[in-house]
Amino acid sequence: EPEVTQTPSHQVTQMGQEVILRCVPISNHLYFYWYRQILGQKVEFLVSFYNNEISEKSEIFDDQFSVERPDGSNFTLKIRSTKLEDSAMYFCASGRQSSYEQYFGPGTRLTVT
Amino acid sequence: SQQGEEDPQALSIQEGENATMNCSYKTSINNLQWYRQNSGRGLVHLILIRSNEREKHSGRLRVTLDTSKKSSSLLITASRAADTASYFCATVTGANNLFFGTGTRLTVIP
Repeated sequence: EPEVTQTPSHQVTQMGQEVILRCVPISNHLYFYWYRQILGQKVEFLVSFYNNEISEKSEIFDDQFSVERPDGSNFTLKIRSTKLEDSAMYFCASGRQSSYEQYFGPGTRLTVT
Repeated sequence: SQQGEEDPQALSIQEGENATMNCSYKTSINNLQWYRQNSGRGLVHLILIRSNEREKHSGRLRVTLDTSKKSSSLLITASRAADTASYFCATVTGANNLFFGTGTRLTVIP
């Protein structure tokens, strides 16, 4: 069964460094998402992406964040200058249609030191 | 905030018993979804119920939705140790992103 994959599984970076989190969504899906979950807290929406552009973003998704679909398969989240509070589990998700079920990847644990 | 809130926060039951988790939300919704998360892992979609539906079944899962009370419940019947996980409700409004609740941590004791 197709699944969403994410790399790396764990990323450790120093404050102020740029990180790129990578995701390969399910191949026939059209909608792509990033969420994050700070340890012990709820899963929070960051951004949704459709038709090669951002369709919605949350307050968390400020100018330090960007997303890209550089080719037909990858979907990336870039954090330009990481802060300590960016430490969290980042989940990529994809879906066939808007407002329907989303399929989540296993997550990338980002630790900012 | 339109995010859901689950109740209880934690639930511990014996294998074979039924588990009921509740979710309340604040705004009008397009649909409500339930997801499961095993510790440190990604979320797995369980079931979706649309705003014009009142009840839905999938295997051992039964979901109800009461839009007048802005609440939903997830019932897992004949629980198994493998059902141990955190369960989240997530609401979908006009936009297509999910707003997750705080989750219920379910422990099924063998």
